[in-house]
Amino acid sequence: GENVEQHPSTLSVQEGDSAVIKCTYSDSASNYFPWYKQELGKRPQLIIDIRSNVGEKKDQRIAVTLNKTAKHFSLHITETQPEDSAVYFCAAGGGSQGNLIFGKGTKLSVKP
Amino acid sequence: GAGVSQSPSNKVTEKGKDVELRCDPISGHTALYWYRQSLGQGLEFLIYFQGNSAPDKSGLPSDRFSAERTGGSVSTLTIQRTQQEDSAVYLCASSLALGLTQETQYFGPGTRLLVL
Repeated sequence: GENVEQHPSTLSVQEGDSAVIKCTYSDSASNYFPWYKQELGKRPQLIIDIRSNVGEKKDQRIAVTLNKTAKHFSLHITETQPEDSAVYFCAAGGGSQGNLIFGKGTKLSVKP
Repeated sequence: GAGVSQSPSNKVTEKGKDVELRCDPISGHTALYWYRQSLGQGLEFLIYFQGNSAPDKSGLPSDRFSAERTGGSVSTLTIQRTQQEDSAVYLCASSLALGLTQETQYFGPGTRLLVL
């Protein structure tokens, strides 16, 4: 089955700096890669997703890149702000399975 | 419109008791998922329902866990003879799940289960 590895597990940056979180997946048939943000005590919320037919997608300060050959995808947050502090989860889905497999999460701390 | 709702929001039970957790998906969503999230951990897939197909139970950790979805809408996750290690937040999500295309999963607020 699918396996998703996420790095780093924790990330601390200064306000205004960029943050990058990386994930790798094992199932080459996976075709959907969402990123979720989970603030403390709250539900995960989708912030951006990408499908396997594109290599990059941007939404304001957030971008996701996908390398299908290497089977990895990354989340890029530019001009980080304290409210970006949360746990971020990557996931992979589609292909041979109907559910999403999540990475273990990255705790991002943005210091003012 | 209304999002995914779950009840109860919190549940405290004694070891050995059975518990039922409820999920109301977004209206019209054909796919429903249950996940478990232990404190400070990631999302562990439990079970997945898609339309009228047989559920994917591959993530259920033991035979004490079961789930059903009646009428293609509301789902109930049942944990029998609860153990302390069952303490976690149980999250439900739903999506359109059109054919083989994976669609966005929207999460409910979760049920925090504490087994004493």
